[in-house]
Amino acid sequence: EVQLVESGGGLVQPGRSLKLSCAASGFTFSNYYMAWVRQAPTKGLEWVASITNSGGSTYYRDSVKGRFTISRDNAKSTLYLQMDSLRSEDTATYYCTTGSFDYWGQGVMVTVSS
Amino acid sequence: EIVLTQSPTTIAASPGEKVTITCRASSSVSYMYWYQQKSGASPKLWIYDTSKLASGVPNRFSGSGSGTSYSLTINTMETEDAATYYCQQWSSTPWTFGGGTKLELK
Repeated sequence: EVQLVESGGGLVQPGRSLKLSCAASGFTFSNYYMAWVRQAPTKGLEWVASITNSGGSTYYRDSVKGRFTISRDNAKSTLYLQMDSLRSEDTATYYCTTGSFDYWGQGVMVTVSS
Repeated sequence: EIVLTQSPTTIAASPGEKVTITCRASSSVSYMYWYQQKSGASPKLWIYDTSKLASGVPNRFSGSGSGTSYSLTINTMETEDAATYYCQQWSSTPWTFGGGTKLELK
């Protein structure tokens, strides 16, 4: 059974950093592109970033480019999202997903507020 | 960026009723994908490649469309179908989702 378990969320002040992790199991992690998708409170879904299976290429939406970094450790079957210079508009539940959005984690809440 | 516009935003249906949700793209897309999200839960892939049902999805669901106009149809509404449905495109980055259609039980 595919499992994606996010961690690392919380309350953070504007301008500060936070790093999310996603532990994957139940599939061969190193064979899959992976992604992060977020959902602001009571809002819709928004793709944030994707990474190829080797980690050699990464893709970001414009609003997070230069502030967020997606990475992975295939030996640990873990996906990461380093979020720097956080803004109030980054407040959302962040979901770890397989690259084609066919499996989703339970999500982790990130609140950016002073 | 391809903008996906879903309609209606909210719909209420009685058990046994037929339901159709539409998704219009600002530019032509090759395929449409649909996700179901129940309150407090993560989204689930529901329909892929426009018309293929994801594993475990009841066959009362169907998807169709091409170009800039796509739809998700429930042939006969059941109570468990109450949820929010999102369309999504892979044709060009950034990958975008529609705003969602909340399907409620009447």
